[in-house]
Amino acid sequence: AQTVTQSQPEMSVQEAETVTLSCTYDTSESDYYLFWYKQPPSRQMILVIRQEAYKQQNATENRFSVNFQKAAKSFSLKISDSQLGDAAMYFCAYRSVSGGADGLTFGKGTHLIIQP
Amino acid sequence: DAMVIQNPRYQVTQFGKPVTLSCSQTLNHNVMYWYQQKSSQAPKLLFHYYDKDFNNEADTPDNFQSRRPNTSFCFLDIRSPGLGDAAMYLCATSTPGGIDDTQYFGPGTRLTVL
Repeated sequence: AQTVTQSQPEMSVQEAETVTLSCTYDTSESDYYLFWYKQPPSRQMILVIRQEAYKQQNATENRFSVNFQKAAKSFSLKISDSQLGDAAMYFCAYRSVSGGADGLTFGKGTHLIIQP
Repeated sequence: DAMVIQNPRYQVTQFGKPVTLSCSQTLNHNVMYWYQQKSSQAPKLLFHYYDKDFNNEADTPDNFQSRRPNTSFCFLDIRSPGLGDAAMYLCATSTPGGIDDTQYFGPGTRLTVL
């Protein structure tokens, strides 16, 4: 079974600075998707960024980028120019490609605090 | 805007009293999922429907059931809620293998069991 580990229960960063959230995973499959989701307090979970394992290029979405290291099974999220609105719970998630409709396997999450 | 809608947002029930949570989508996605998220924990998949095919996770208690009467709607039924079932219940949808093979989540229903 696949597992996803987020080793940082909580991170704090000053507004406008850069922060990196860590995620590692364990799988025996070669093709899969990795995701970072953001869950603000009392609000719905939204997709931040998605990476397909067969793509070597790291995904980027505006201020959000990932460092995907397939051999190391590492998938970290970098948030540049942090804003107050970035404060949320961040979940790393995995899904196999062959699984088709399989659900996501989530890590336990990292609570990101933005200091004004 | 296309979206995933969950009703109600907050549900209070009594111990042992059946409760139904609702999810609807305007995304026309094939798959609808139900996750349970307990306080400060990661979401855990309960089951999903791929079109009309129901797929239950092995460790989902029998107390939890689901119905999908049509493409747009999916319901989560808890037959006899216990105190341990208090949680946020998240509905998500996707179309696997599509151009946008991503799960989209609704806002969740927070269930309180008294």
